[in-house]
Amino acid sequence: KAGVTQTPRYLIKTRGQQVTLSCSPISGHRSVSWYQQTPGQGLQFLFEYFSETQRNKGNFPGRFSGRQFSNSRSEMNVSTLELGDSALYLCASSKPSGRAKTDTQYFGPGTRLTVL
Amino acid sequence: DQQVKQNSPSLSVQEGRISILNCDYTNSMFDYFLWYKKYPAEGPTFLISISSIKDKNEDGRFTVFLNKSAKHLSLHIVPSQPGDSAVYFCAGGGADGLTFGKGTHLIIQP
Repeated sequence: KAGVTQTPRYLIKTRGQQVTLSCSPISGHRSVSWYQQTPGQGLQFLFEYFSETQRNKGNFPGRFSGRQFSNSRSEMNVSTLELGDSALYLCASSKPSGRAKTDTQYFGPGTRLTVL
Repeated sequence: DQQVKQNSPSLSVQEGRISILNCDYTNSMFDYFLWYKKYPAEGPTFLISISSIKDKNEDGRFTVFLNKSAKHLSLHIVPSQPGDSAVYFCAGGGADGLTFGKGTHLIIQP
C-alpha cells in the first residue's frame, strides 16, 4: 500500500509570495492533518480535514488555510509568506475509527519550505 | 502554554543499554499517548501508543509507561541499537487531535 505523499518536497519562495502544498493520503484514509515543524517549536498542529470539512484548527494566523477534495487529497496554502514560515510542513493521514481516540497517524516525508 | 514537554533535547546511550525517553504533559483530557520516531528528511513514523486507562504497553524492545497522577510518560528501549538513533516525539491525543512535544534526539553510541 502506498504511503502518504507530499509535493513538492522542496520549495523556495520570497517574502510576500503565496504557496500551495499538496498531500495525498493513504488509500482509504479520509482524515488529513497538517503540521509545521521548526527546530524551535517542534511539531505544531495546523489543521485537520475530514470528508472535505475542517474538523480541527491549531493556533495559526489566517494566512494559513487548507482544503480537502472529494478524493481525500488535501492542499495547504500560505499567503503573504514571512521569513518565519520557513519550516518542514508535514501531512498525516489516518483511518477514522468513529472516535478520535485510537487513530494512528501516518506521516508523509514533508515539504521543506524556505522563505527568503 | 506547552501541553506536552520533552525536557531533554538530546540523550546519548551506549549500544546494548537501556534508553529512557521522558515526556510530561499538562492536559488531563488526553485520552491516549503516542510515540513517534523521526529520521532526518523523513516524516515521523508511529512507534507505540498507550491508552490513558493503561499504565504500561509493550511491543518488542519498546515499552511505554504512563503515570497519570504525575502526568508523566516514558519510553524504554531495550536493548538500544544503532538504528534507534533518531528524534523521538511524544504526543497526547484527544478529541482535538494530537499535541506533540518538541522531541528528544537519541544518539546510540557504539
